[in-house]
Amino acid sequence: QSVLTQPPSVSAAPGQKVTISCSGSSSNIGNNYVSWYQQLPGTAPKVLIYETNKRPPGIPDRFSGSKSGTSATLGITGLQTGDEADYYCGTWDGSLSAEVFGGGTKLTVL
Amino acid sequence: QVQLQQSGPGLVKPSQTLSLTCVISGDSISSNSATWNWIRQSPSRGLEWLGRTYYRSKWYYDYAASVRSRITVNPDTSKNQFSLQLYSVTPDDTAVYYCARVEGPTTFDSWGQGTLVTVSS
Repeated sequence: QSVLTQPPSVSAAPGQKVTISCSGSSSNIGNNYVSWYQQLPGTAPKVLIYETNKRPPGIPDRFSGSKSGTSATLGITGLQTGDEADYYCGTWDGSLSAEVFGGGTKLTVL
Repeated sequence: QVQLQQSGPGLVKPSQTLSLTCVISGDSISSNSATWNWIRQSPSRGLEWLGRTYYRSKWYYDYAASVRSRITVNPDTSKNQFSLQLYSVTPDDTAVYYCARVEGPTTFDSWGQGTLVTVSS
């Protein structure tokens, strides 16, 4: 089981909004930046959010990140069928001295 | 634009050594701000960080506890690449292996294409 906890799946209709949660502890999310990655089938993960709430160039502002205490959230508005993918959160864990990830959330756009 | 190109065998026998190489273009393995990482992904383990190397006036190495006794990540400055060696593999090491760069705090911003490595006799 993964150090960070994500829901296995979420779904919403096109045009709607969805949030994906990522729960951790004080040794990881509570004291470090969080990143979010999107993984399309057969491809490597791609960073969507870095330093908890920043978007790399080219990532639309439909994607947003936030954190409260030991939990982080990825928000996606204006859902499109092309957003169907697996989403992962990741951060550094100071107790483990290791990068850690969530188990991933499969987004279905109905 | 940083690009990472992986190479290595897709099939390894149990008890043998898994060896992969990641060639870097668009950055230097000796960068003072990047770290160079290996990550694997399998249905049973999800995304699992394995280890990293980085240069800050000297070379540093960090490894995940789960593989620390049987892993080596090595830089090769002459070829601007780094490698992964995982010793004494078992079928449980079957996974897609990725190399990845971290630039800045803890974000994997560039990834290799991935290599499916199957451990089987």
